[in-house]
Amino acid sequence: DIQMTQSPSSLSASVGDRVTITCRASQGISNSLAWYQQKPGKVPKLLIYDASSLQSGVPSRFSGSGSGTDFTLTISSLQPEDVATYYCQKYNSAPWTFGQGTKVEIK
Amino acid sequence: EVQLVQSGAEVKKPGESLKISCKGSGYSFSNYWIAWVRQMPGKGLEWMGIIYPGDSDTRYSPSFQGQVTISADTSISTASLQWSSLKASDTAMYYCARLGGGLDVWGQGTTVTVSS
Repeated sequence: DIQMTQSPSSLSASVGDRVTITCRASQGISNSLAWYQQKPGKVPKLLIYDASSLQSGVPSRFSGSGSGTDFTLTISSLQPEDVATYYCQKYNSAPWTFGQGTKVEIK
Repeated sequence: EVQLVQSGAEVKKPGESLKISCKGSGYSFSNYWIAWVRQMPGKGLEWMGIIYPGDSDTRYSPSFQGQVTISADTSISTASLQWSSLKASDTAMYYCARLGGGLDVWGQGTTVTVSS
């Protein structure tokens, strides 16, 4: 099965900073990748699908890029409401594995 | 409004059976895959499996194959996740979610607690 590895596992940044989270697949998955945000005690929320398509209603400071095995989620200007854990997920074929998550905090 | 509404919290004993549900509304339930996702306390998201209600095509994660059964009933627009014999390690939050270009609509989650 294809493994999804996120890095870093956690990060702390200041409000207004540019934040980048990486997700690497152990084999190529084309652009079949999504990013989710989960705030503490809340339901996960889709941010990005097909590696770079912004889900409706998601702020434009979130963006995704990549194809094949290497993918990136970028928050262009970190806001206090972005404190959450972020997960990538592949969906080119079963099993649709999630990454282990990246916890984002405010410094 | 497109939504998935899950059944309520459950408290069970080890060895008991359980079936939880996920009812879709506001869209054509038969035509979208429904996934089940587990989140154990303080841990990350785990993909359990997925079903296409239109023809009941079902795929399981190897980690959950044989441990749970996923089903769907299009007549009531409901997907289900069931266990025949619960273990304490099944204690978790369980989410259903619709596949529409990523998992775009999520249920509110069902907490399952298994304790003697």
